[in-house]
Amino acid sequence: AQSVTQPDIHITVSEGASLELRCNYSYGATPYLFWYVQSPGQGLQLLLKYFSGDTLVQGIKGFEAEFKRSQSSFNLRKPSVHWSDAAEYFCAVGLLLPDTGRRALTFGSGTRLQVQP
Amino acid sequence: DGGITQSPKYLFRKEGQNVTLSCEQNLNHDAMYWYRQDPGQGLRLIYYSQIVNDFQKGDIAEGYSVSREKKESFPLTVTSAQKNPTAFYLCASNDRGPNQPQHFGDGTRLSIL
Repeated sequence: AQSVTQPDIHITVSEGASLELRCNYSYGATPYLFWYVQSPGQGLQLLLKYFSGDTLVQGIKGFEAEFKRSQSSFNLRKPSVHWSDAAEYFCAVGLLLPDTGRRALTFGSGTRLQVQP
Repeated sequence: DGGITQSPKYLFRKEGQNVTLSCEQNLNHDAMYWYRQDPGQGLRLIYYSQIVNDFQKGDIAEGYSVSREKKESFPLTVTSAQKNPTAFYLCASNDRGPNQPQHFGDGTRLSIL
């Protein structure tokens, strides 16, 4: 079965420092990949997505992510973190299941980002 | 502006009571989803619907029920059979196609009295 792993439960960075959040997936084919951000008590907002083509994708709020097939990874990066980036970040894999026709979205367990002044 | 509206934001349930969470979307999306979020965990799929008058169980459907009588509405009922209902519930929707991202509402936090 497909799975998504976010190995870092909690990350703390200083404001202005660079950021990389890790995401690894397990799936036989190239999946559809997403990064979402969630502020406390809120829903999820889409940061960026990858389906095909250029493996480096740009998203909102200055985020980018790189798809590496050989490593089954889709890590999220930002060159300079702002205090407002403190939130929880979720990686997700989208699949079309042939037996059910279901468009499944499997989420990682999330990484909580704390930004120090 | 188009979006997904969940209500209420906070909800309390008494023992043996059924409660219904509302989810309305004006994005004209075909598919709608309900997720449950517990602390330190990702989102787990409860039910989903790809078209009006049709819905399917997700990974943790026991103790929950849904209906999809209108395209824009997908209410979730948490029944008394759900013994651990305290969680944050998120509704989402998207267009057809596996590459369509899901759009989320702001969630409902359900607690037990």
